[in-house]
Parts: sequence; structure tokens; C-alpha cells
Amino acid sequence: DSGVTQTPKHLITATGQRVTLRCSPRSGDLSVYWYQQSLDQGLQFLIQYYNGEERAKGNILERFSAQQFPDLHSELNLSSLELGDSALYFCASSVAGSGPETQYFGPGTRLLVL
Amino acid sequence: GESVGLHLPTLSVQEGDNSIINCAYSNSASDYFIWYKQESGKGPQFIIDIRSNMDKRQGQRVTVLLNKTVKHLSLQIAATQPGDSAVYFCAENWGNGAGSYQLTFGKGTKLSVIP
Repeated sequence: DSGVTQTPKHLITATGQRVTLRCSPRSGDLSVYWYQQSLDQGLQFLIQYYNGEERAKGNILERFSAQQFPDLHSELNLSSLELGDSALYFCASSVAGSGPETQYFGPGTRLLVL
Repeated sequence: GESVGLHLPTLSVQEGDNSIINCAYSNSASDYFIWYKQESGKGPQFIIDIRSNMDKRQGQRVTVLLNKTVKHLSLQIAATQPGDSAVYFCAENWGNGAGSYQLTFGKGTKLSVIP
């Protein structure tokens, strides 16, 4: 158990809908990262937050957004969902994110868009 | 990146044998490297890490070797067990020059242990 929690574990929705994925980092970690894992793209970095502020962006679509709250939990919002958004979404956390350090991953949310 | 799935490189080893999983990384500025293990339906799990000022690091039954000259990492697992069956990813950690360090994952190798 990494100490990172994610909810829900599974999510099934329809095209055009909007969903919110939630992540709680390890105790003491200030940085949260979101990744997408799909069959044809592997693990792709989406976005990083540090202590409530956006720190870095990766391959995140404009239909997707995230935020980190004062209690350091984070939410990833996916809107106008398309079939191709079906994937595993992972959250990871690290102590600071401003230096080379290990990221610890949560169990993921499996999203299926029908 | 390559897929986790149909096109994933696969390594099959006999239980008790040693396994060697290789990884080529892309960024010569990367200064920290991590190996992760991902079991089916679970998130990547940290196995071992190594900084760029080292060329070898050992853990419990695992060893990571780093060759910066050819940008190559390897993970050696001694006395491979059925519980080692999983997909293994190497990841390189690099700074983007704006105060953030990011992980870029390798393609992944599926390790299958034959009992």
C-alpha cells in the first residue's frame, strides 16, 4: 500500500459526460501528479500540482482540468468525454516535486466511456 | 510511449532463475531513475531507484545498473519468483527548468515467471 488513495476504483459513463476523479496523497506529500495509462500510449504525465498551485503540465487535453485543495487532495475533471478517454487514471504523490524524488502511485481509477 | 498490452516486450523466465530487464532512456539530463512494478489492475509500485552519480545499486533481490554513456538501465532480479510476474517500467526523472521534476516512463516489459 503506497499511502495514496484514489476514488472511485471504477467509473462507467457515456460520451459527452463529465466525471471527477479524486486523489488523496500520502501524508506529508505536497505534490500530486496525474497520469493516464491507455493501451496505445502507455503511462502519460498529465499535470502536477504543488501545495495547491499548478506546477507542470504534460499531455493534458483542454477538456481535462485539475485542482489541488487546501487539504492537499486533488481532483481531475474530465469533460465532454470521448470513447478514446477510456483508460486508467493514476494519481501519484511526492514530498515536494521540486527535485529528483520518488513518486508513489495510487491504485488508479479505471474509466470506461461507452 | 509504447503500450501496456498487446505490443509489450515479454520476458519469460523459469522460477529460480535470474531475470534481466533492460531499458533505454532518452534524456541525457536525467539525474534520477526509478524502476516500477505494475501488477494487473494495480498502480505502479516503487522497486528501486538510482541517481546519476552511481552506476549500481542493490536492494533485496534486485539490482539496478546505470550506463550513462549509452543511456541504458537494467533491472536484475535474483531467484525470480512467481510473485515477480508483472510489467516493469523504468522511469527517468528530469527537471523542466521551471522548478518541476517530471517522470517519463519507458515502454514497459512484461515478466512472466514459469513455475
